[in-house]
Amino acid sequence: GAGVSQSPSNKVTEKGKDVELRCDPISGHTALYWYRQSLGQGLEFLIYFQGNSAPDKSGLPSDRFSAERTGGSVSTLTIQRTQQEDSAVYLCASSETVLNTEAFFGQGTRLTVV
Amino acid sequence: DQQVKQNSPSLSVQEGRISILNCDYTNSMFDYFLWYKKYPAEGPTFLISISSIKDKNEDGRFTVFLNKSAKHLSLHIVPSQPGDSAVYFCAAARGNDKIIFGKGTRLHILP
Repeated sequence: GAGVSQSPSNKVTEKGKDVELRCDPISGHTALYWYRQSLGQGLEFLIYFQGNSAPDKSGLPSDRFSAERTGGSVSTLTIQRTQQEDSAVYLCASSETVLNTEAFFGQGTRLTVV
Repeated sequence: DQQVKQNSPSLSVQEGRISILNCDYTNSMFDYFLWYKKYPAEGPTFLISISSIKDKNEDGRFTVFLNKSAKHLSLHIVPSQPGDSAVYFCAAARGNDKIIFGKGTRLHILP
């Protein structure tokens, strides 16, 4: 596709369950970012990938959060043992090799933990 | 510690007037600044950017000004239109490092 694709667009899960969010970046983009936006908050950085490696994982809120990227393309963000405070919109973005250019965002996955 | 700050959570401007959105940053090593626009239920979209070697960049109705000594940038929208109502995020990056976003300013364009 032409843009960044995220799935699912909406996810409702029970507290304590694991969830997996998927991101398909723009073809050829080597940098991939995960951000989240909680209600009333700005965009919170979680992790980014350059190729398949993640130079900066400093934004991951806890060890329940992990992410991987394979083949320099698709990325998955996994949240284990979800908590209500994990409810947010999770946004994925990709950009070309040089990271200080604009990143193109997907439409996000709205996660609701009940 | 917030490296990119947007101190106004919301702003209301009359249609046809100038909208000015402000952003302050603390890291003097940032060398690239961006503005994103976000509508409800959509991902942010890139609007305009500026390199630290410039102090102004224009694109149609949008102009970004950078004051490095004050660590301040602003986005001007002239004239403001109803479709400009959205949340605007200021962002900054240093070299090949991650993009840091501010918390956003919600702009309301009044008829």
